[in-house]
Amino acid sequence: KNEVEQSPQNLTAQEGEFITINCSYSVGISALHWLQQHPGGGIVSLFMLSSGKKKHGRLIATINIQEKHSSLHITASHPRDSAVYICAVVRGSNYKLTFGKGTLLTVNP
Amino acid sequence: GAGVSQSPRYKVAKRGQDVALRCDPISGHVSLFWYQQALGQGPEFLTYFQNEAQLDKSGLPSDRFFAERPEGSVSTLKIQRTQQEDSAVYLCASSLRDRGPSGANVLTFGAGSRLTVL
Repeated sequence: KNEVEQSPQNLTAQEGEFITINCSYSVGISALHWLQQHPGGGIVSLFMLSSGKKKHGRLIATINIQEKHSSLHITASHPRDSAVYICAVVRGSNYKLTFGKGTLLTVNP
Repeated sequence: GAGVSQSPRYKVAKRGQDVALRCDPISGHVSLFWYQQALGQGPEFLTYFQNEAQLDKSGLPSDRFFAERPEGSVSTLKIQRTQQEDSAVYLCASSLRDRGPSGANVLTFGAGSRLTVL
């Protein structure tokens, strides 16, 4: 079993829909990242969380440390949101990131 | 520079050829990481530098892989005698401080170098 599991693997939505991507992890962590990767492009860090909730524009990220679970929400989705969204965790003081396999989001106009 | 710069962006190599991939981190960033991302997979850790010191190379898949950061800034990942299974995107990331990416210590990724071994 992977230490970081994301669901769903693939998600197709219509423009304007509310999107939720989930991340569960099985190890103790000090922080969790949500990252965005466009096809052929590099990785952009969206959020880094260690507790609670963060919001940036139409993106919201939450984390529940006790339940070892995080969610990324996109409100009023748009075709330009189409990308792979990756969850990655930092274990304690370990500098290594452990990545999930990503969720491919396609938003159709 | 403003971001993490990687070159080349694309490299096609014949099996058995040696390749070198370059990473220019953000100026002043202490920590530098290399990751390997196979098609359809999440990135996998390869190696970590703190300034010029390679503190962890446990993720390097074989002794054909070698990384260096001699002056604590630019880093090079070298792959000798490339094999088809080396085909992947190689990502470099850097962060300002010498501890793990948490709190305010943001990790910035480069666009990656896509290696295709024929």
